[in-house]
Amino acid sequence: DAGVTQSPTHLIKTRGQQVTLRCSPKSGHDTVSWYQQALGQGPQFIFQYYEEEERQRGNFPDRFSGHQFPNYSSELNVNALLLGDSALYLCASSLAGGGAFFGQGTRLTVV
Amino acid sequence: KQEVTQIPAALSVPEGENLVLNCSFTDSAIYNLQWFRQDPGKGLTSLLLIQSSQREQTSGRLNASLDKSSGRSTLYIAASQPGDSATYLCAVPPYSGAGSYQLTFGKGTKLSVIP
Repeated sequence: DAGVTQSPTHLIKTRGQQVTLRCSPKSGHDTVSWYQQALGQGPQFIFQYYEEEERQRGNFPDRFSGHQFPNYSSELNVNALLLGDSALYLCASSLAGGGAFFGQGTRLTVV
Repeated sequence: KQEVTQIPAALSVPEGENLVLNCSFTDSAIYNLQWFRQDPGKGLTSLLLIQSSQREQTSGRLNASLDKSSGRSTLYIAASQPGDSATYLCAVPPYSGAGSYQLTFGKGTKLSVIP
């Protein structure tokens, strides 16, 4: 079992550009959540996908959007990048009642 | 709104010491509580999951306790080793029968174990 895998591991983008991050959940997990972690802070919840629909959303602007595919993998899209979007983006997968398993993250740097 | 606090923010101990990390949360209506480890620049590794009906969980040298009524959890690490150096985070999801899973995290405790 490869666990939760995220790609790419590192990314550098220019302010105003758009970015897509990808996540494959742990085998058998049907729920995918995305988190943003700024340096020295705990992860902040962006949104969660279940059965290809956004089930919950944190306090993030509409520039952050996502998608879940029939195989449960997921994408996080961020439009009109700002310098403040620079962070570690974490994907977590879970099953109802169980714990969350996280990937290694994507380090996004906006310049 | 759930708030999670971890004390201390940083801790430095000599190798071999036993230590306790603290986590407190403001809303006791939680589904479970999870402890994670994070190495610099890396993702989160799940250490222990305590269901709301449980009082503690153990894995090797790690033991986590949960007191929902007082809104507290502790992570006990026995016989610490330099390899234990990392940031330790606790996280709680709200209680929901639908199994929704929005985790609220503390800022973590940065542990350094000195050889």
